[in-house]
Amino acid sequence: DAGVIQSPRHEVTEMGQEVTLRCKPISGHDYLFWYRQTMMRGLELLIYFNNNVPIDDSGMPEDRFSAKMPNASFSTLKIQPSEPRDSAVYFCASSFVGRIYNEQFFGPGTRLTVL
Amino acid sequence: GQQLNQSPQSMFIQEGEDVSMNCTSSSIFNTWLWYKQDPGEGPVLLIALYKAGELTSNGRLTAQFGITRKDSFLNISASIPSDVGIYFCAGQRTSGGTSYGKLTFGQGTILTVHP
Repeated sequence: DAGVIQSPRHEVTEMGQEVTLRCKPISGHDYLFWYRQTMMRGLELLIYFNNNVPIDDSGMPEDRFSAKMPNASFSTLKIQPSEPRDSAVYFCASSFVGRIYNEQFFGPGTRLTVL
Repeated sequence: GQQLNQSPQSMFIQEGEDVSMNCTSSSIFNTWLWYKQDPGEGPVLLIALYKAGELTSNGRLTAQFGITRKDSFLNISASIPSDVGIYFCAGQRTSGGTSYGKLTFGQGTILTVHP
């Protein structure tokens, strides 16, 4: 398997623009997670899905952020409108329920810069 | 919200030295995980711990699940330059034999190894 795939790897945009980050989880995994990583706040869980259904979105910073998982092989994280403080590395991770621990496999991340 | 306190925040060591880092929590976790993040990549799982008091090794890495279930430590013996990176602890709760999806991450320990 290719692992978790994220696109784009880098995104530079201007304040006010819409940004869409994409993720393809590992085939067969039924959990998908979106994280944000910054120097100040570390690694933060934004939202996670189980079987394509959002389970916990309490980490989503505000209404400008939205995430969808239309099917088991694709998810998006959208920021509209984007602001400079959204600049961070965004990671997608996936895992498989049924194991005694939850090994989350992370993608390479999308580095977002909002000017 | 739930927080993990990870220390130290950073370490600068000479190649060949041993390293120790730890995580503490105000709440109990059923599983402790240790991840490593290389520059420009997503975190990768190093060691998983399932039982209080458990001591687990993976090559030069050794980790322990604290007896109170509120802490864990990671040791790296005989460090080498490729050990450079950010190390994260993570805690997870489980119930009824099923793992919940959500992990809580520590702030990370930045490790620098001088040749």
